[in-house]
Amino acid sequence: AQTVTQSQPEMSVQEAETVTLSCTYDTSESDYYLFWYKQPPSRQMILVIRQEAYKQQNATENRFSVNFQKAAKSFSLKISDSQLGDAAMYFCAYKETSGSRLTFGEGTQLTVNP
Amino acid sequence: KAGVTQTPRYLIKTRGQQVTLSCSPISGHRSVSWYQQTPGQGLQFLFEYFSETQRNKGNFPGRFSGRQFSNSRSEMNVSTLELGDSALYLCASSLANKGEAFFGQGTRLTVV
Repeated sequence: AQTVTQSQPEMSVQEAETVTLSCTYDTSESDYYLFWYKQPPSRQMILVIRQEAYKQQNATENRFSVNFQKAAKSFSLKISDSQLGDAAMYFCAYKETSGSRLTFGEGTQLTVNP
Repeated sequence: KAGVTQTPRYLIKTRGQQVTLSCSPISGHRSVSWYQQTPGQGLQFLFEYFSETQRNKGNFPGRFSGRQFSNSRSEMNVSTLELGDSALYLCASSLANKGEAFFGQGTRLTVV
């Protein structure tokens, strides 16, 4: 069974600084999807970024980028120029190519200090 | 385009009762998945429906069931409620197997 591990329960960053959240996963599949979701206090899960395993290029969405290391099964999220609105719980998630089932990590609570 | 809609947003039920939660996916999305979120267990997959068929099921007791209608709307039912069923229940919709899932705002169930 696939597993996703986020080893940082909490992280903090100063406004305008850069922070990196870590995620590792375990799978025997060669093709799959990886995601980062953000869950603010409103509890709405919001997609931040996605990565398809067969693509070697790291995904980027504005201030958010990933470092995808397939051989190491590592998928970290970098947030540049952190903003107060980035404060939230961040979840790393894995999905096989078939079906829609997501396997989530434990989450990392990000605090942004003004 | 409207997002995923879950109703009701909040529910308080008594132990032993049953509850039905509803999820309307994004128009055109045929896949609906349900998740339970608790502080202790995190986000756990309940089940997934595609074209009215349950395609995948998580490790939950038979008290948890679901269905999907021809318009892709989905319901989940929990019978004989226990205190431990108190949780945020999240519904997500997606375009078949393709990529990302979009989540509703969740239903907060409290069992007393």
